[in-house]
Amino acid sequence: QVQLVESGGGVVQPGRSLRLSCATSGFTFNHYGMHWVRQAPGKGLEWVAVIWHDGSKELYADSVKGRFTVSRDDSKNTLYLQMNSLRGEDTALYYCARDVGPKFYILNPWGQGTLVTVSS
Amino acid sequence: DIQMTQSPSSLSASVGDRVTITCRTSQSISNSLNWYQQKPGKAPNLLIYGASSLQSGVPSRFSGSGSGTDFTLTISGLQPEDFATYYCQQSYSGLPSAFGQGTKVDIK
Repeated sequence: QVQLVESGGGVVQPGRSLRLSCATSGFTFNHYGMHWVRQAPGKGLEWVAVIWHDGSKELYADSVKGRFTVSRDDSKNTLYLQMNSLRGEDTALYYCARDVGPKFYILNPWGQGTLVTVSS
Repeated sequence: DIQMTQSPSSLSASVGDRVTITCRTSQSISNSLNWYQQKPGKAPNLLIYGASSLQSGVPSRFSGSGSGTDFTLTISGLQPEDFATYYCQQSYSGLPSAFGQGTKVDIK
């Protein structure tokens, strides 16, 4: 079955960097777009980024543009989110989610998330 | 970017009630609108895609409608397991995606 497992979260100081990973299995990774979505404690969902199935395009929310970079390693079936210049408002549970196709932006399924806390 | 306005932010309802949640976008997105359900401590789950298509395995009491800028999620005959938070999401081609603010459905 399809599995998405996020890792790499933790406590980090403001201004520092962190890289999240999303290990996948159960499907042909390079056929699907992949997304990152985050949820601050007690708040709603915020879409963060997408990378198309072939890596040819990335899009970002304005709140992270220029600081976050999404990438994928098809040889490892793994999605990444490099987060630089972290701020307190980046504190959230970060989910990875598979697109239902190469670039349809319909998210199914989702991982269980990894928690990032930005604090001094 | 496309702005999302979801309403209400919360509602109280009883088992068996018909519940309607609306989502409005700042520009026309055709039918590129999806709905998700999230229960406490769990990841979101896709309910409706393409404004009105029911995701496999989702009960038929859930339905979606709308196109352009105005969309609706309806739950016909609310069940105990439906008490959750619901989010709309626009998936218009080539643009950054976005979610609505969410609607929490709780027990009256």
